[in-house]
Amino acid sequence: NAGVTQTPKFRILKIGQSMTLQCTQDMNHNYMYWYRQDPGMGLKLIYYSVGAGITDKGEVPNGYNVSRSTTEDFPLRLELAAPSQTSVYFCASRTDLSNQPQHFGDGTRLSIL
Amino acid sequence: AQRVTQPEKLLSVFKGAPVELKCNYSYSGSPELFWYVQYSRQRLQLLLRHISRESIKGFTADLNKGETSFHLKKPFAQEEDSAMYYCALRNTGGFKTIFGAGTRLFVKA
Repeated sequence: NAGVTQTPKFRILKIGQSMTLQCTQDMNHNYMYWYRQDPGMGLKLIYYSVGAGITDKGEVPNGYNVSRSTTEDFPLRLELAAPSQTSVYFCASRTDLSNQPQHFGDGTRLSIL
Repeated sequence: AQRVTQPEKLLSVFKGAPVELKCNYSYSGSPELFWYVQYSRQRLQLLLRHISRESIKGFTADLNKGETSFHLKKPFAQEEDSAMYYCALRNTGGFKTIFGAGTRLFVKA
C-alpha cells in the first residue's frame, strides 16, 4: 500500500520555466491537498479538491494551477517559475469522514534559480 | 479567523525529562485538533487526535476549550522522540486544515 506518492523528490528550475508536480494516492480518498512549506513556517494550503472535477483555492494559490480528473491524481502546475516559489511541496489526502487525519507524501523539494 | 500558534520553534530537553509542546488556537466553533510528527527522513504523519483521547508513544494531549489550547505532553522524553511536531486545526466537518509553524524537539542523551 503506497499511500500518497509524489514525484519528483527534488527539482531545480530556472526562472520562467514550467513544471508539474505529480501526486497520486491509492486509498480512494475524495479529499486531496497541496501545501508548501517555507523554512520556519507552517504548511500553507495552495489548492485543495473534494473530488474528481472539483478544485478550490487555498491560502496561497497565485502562480499555481491544479486539476483533478480522477480520484487518484492531483497534479500541481507551476506555469512561470519564480524564486518565491522555492519551497518544499507536500501533497496530502484524506477520507471525507470527520476527525480523520491527512495522509502525506514525502514532499518535493523545489529550487528556482 | 482560524489560527494555530506554536510559540516555540525549538525545544531541547534531556532524556528522561518531561516535555510539553505548546499549541494555542483561535477558532469560534468546535474544532478538530491533531498533532502530526515528522521524524528525520520520514513523511509527516499523524501522532494523535483530540477525539481519540489516547496515548501514542507515551504522548497525550488534552483539549482545553477555556484556554483554547491543545498542548502535547510526555512525562519522560526519549531520544527517538526527536522530531518536528505540528499542531493542526480543522473546523468540524470542514475541508481545510490549518497548521502551526511547528516545534522542533531535540532530546539530548
